[in-house]
Amino acid sequence: KAGVTQTPRYLIKTRGQQVTLSCSPISGHRSVSWYQQTPGQGLQFLFEYFSETQRNKGNFPGRFSGRQFSNSRSEMNVSTLELGDSALYLCASRSGTGSTDTQYFGPGTRLTVL
Amino acid sequence: AQTVTQSQPEMSVQEAETVTLSCTYDTSENNYYLFWYKQPPSRQMILVIRQEAYKQQNATENRFSVNFQKAAKSFSLKISDSQLGDTAMYFCAFRDNNAGNMLTFGGGTRLMVKP
Repeated sequence: KAGVTQTPRYLIKTRGQQVTLSCSPISGHRSVSWYQQTPGQGLQFLFEYFSETQRNKGNFPGRFSGRQFSNSRSEMNVSTLELGDSALYLCASRSGTGSTDTQYFGPGTRLTVL
Repeated sequence: AQTVTQSQPEMSVQEAETVTLSCTYDTSENNYYLFWYKQPPSRQMILVIRQEAYKQQNATENRFSVNFQKAAKSFSLKISDSQLGDTAMYFCAFRDNNAGNMLTFGGGTRLMVKP
């Protein structure tokens, strides 16, 4: 099976712009989670989608949003970008059908906000 | 809310030797999983090992094993016969089985394996 893919891998934006990141989970996986990784705050959970519904949300402002499509692909959007949004954004997929299944991470999208 | 703490920001070990990475966590839940993830310089996060809280037996995966002390809320990772390819950031993570797929991560330990 192909792994979790994320596009684009690198992105440079300026303050005030918005950005959309994409994640394609492993085939058959229905759960997609997003994490933000920064040197200062470490790895922080953004949100999780399962079967097109947001199942969990982390402590991030409303500028961060996401969605999941019927084919389980997910997008996250950040509006009105701030310098502090510069981070590695990781997506992870899981089959979601049992507590024993493993979560697999994608390579990440490196977002730089200037 | 759960918290995960890794008290060793950086560690180093000689090739072929054994090293132990520490992790403590705080939770009031009983049904949870603990994980160790590895993030090499290429940045792809890889699952190393996982432990179900209700299992008393410590998990092992080849050269990797854990020491799970539930009462003490401690979950350390032992890497035996360290290899150069083990050089990476290691993250301890917690998942409450009643909270979907959300992982709470520790701050990470940077491990350097020296030849």
